[in-house]
Amino acid sequence: GAGVSQTPSNKVTEKGKYVELRCDPISGHTALYWYRQSLGQGPEFLIYFQGTGAADDSGLPNDRFFAVRPEGSVSTLKIQRTERGDSAVYLCASSPAGGVTDTQYFGPGTRLTVL
Amino acid sequence: QKEVEQDPGPLSVPEGAIVSLNCTYSNSAFQYFMWYRQYSRKGPELLMYTYSSGNKEDGRFTAQVDKSSKYISLFIRDSQPSDSATYLCAMSINNYGQNFVFGPGTRLSVLP
Repeated sequence: GAGVSQTPSNKVTEKGKYVELRCDPISGHTALYWYRQSLGQGPEFLIYFQGTGAADDSGLPNDRFFAVRPEGSVSTLKIQRTERGDSAVYLCASSPAGGVTDTQYFGPGTRLTVL
Repeated sequence: QKEVEQDPGPLSVPEGAIVSLNCTYSNSAFQYFMWYRQYSRKGPELLMYTYSSGNKEDGRFTAQVDKSSKYISLFIRDSQPSDSATYLCAMSINNYGQNFVFGPGTRLSVLP
C-alpha cells in the first residue's frame, strides 16, 4: 500500500515568507508526528497528533510554527515569517495508534531552504 | 552535554564484517530504546526497539541495552553493502509515543 507522502519535496522561500508543508499519512493511522532534521543531526520532535487533536506540541520552537489535522488524516505544518534557521528537512511520520511499540512510518521529508 | 550522543562516523567496514554501533545517554528515565536506519534523502525506518535492559535479536541485527551504564548498542552481523546508511538511536521515557529523542546518527559504509 501507499506509504506516507509529503509535499512539496523541496521548498525554497525567502526570509519572512509564509510556508505550508503537507503530510498524507498512511490510511487509517490515527497517530501523526512532525519532526525537523538539520544536516548531520537526528530528527527533532515538533508535534504529535492523535486523531484531530494535538496531543503534544511541546517541540514547536516558537509561535511562528503551527500545525493542523482538521479531519484526522492529512496534516499541514505552517511556518510564518520564516527565518534562515528554519532551513531543514521536515519529516512526517504516522503510526496505527501511537505509542513507542507502534512502528512509526516516515515520509521522505520536505527540504525547506530559507534564503 | 547532549541528551543522546553517537559517534557521527563515517564508519567504513568490509562486506561480511560485524558492525558495532553505539549510543550513550544522560537521562536515566529513558525506558524505551529504538534503532532506525536512514538512507540518503529518505525518512528513517524502524529496525528494532527494546524495553529497559537486555538483548533483542532480529535476523542479522542484535540490540543491547545497558541502563546501568546508559549505553546501548546495535550489532550487525554479516554486513552487506545495502546496510550502508545512517543509523539513528532514539529513546523515550514512556510508551505514549510522543517526544522521542533521537541521537545525531552514525554514518556506516559497507564496502564490497
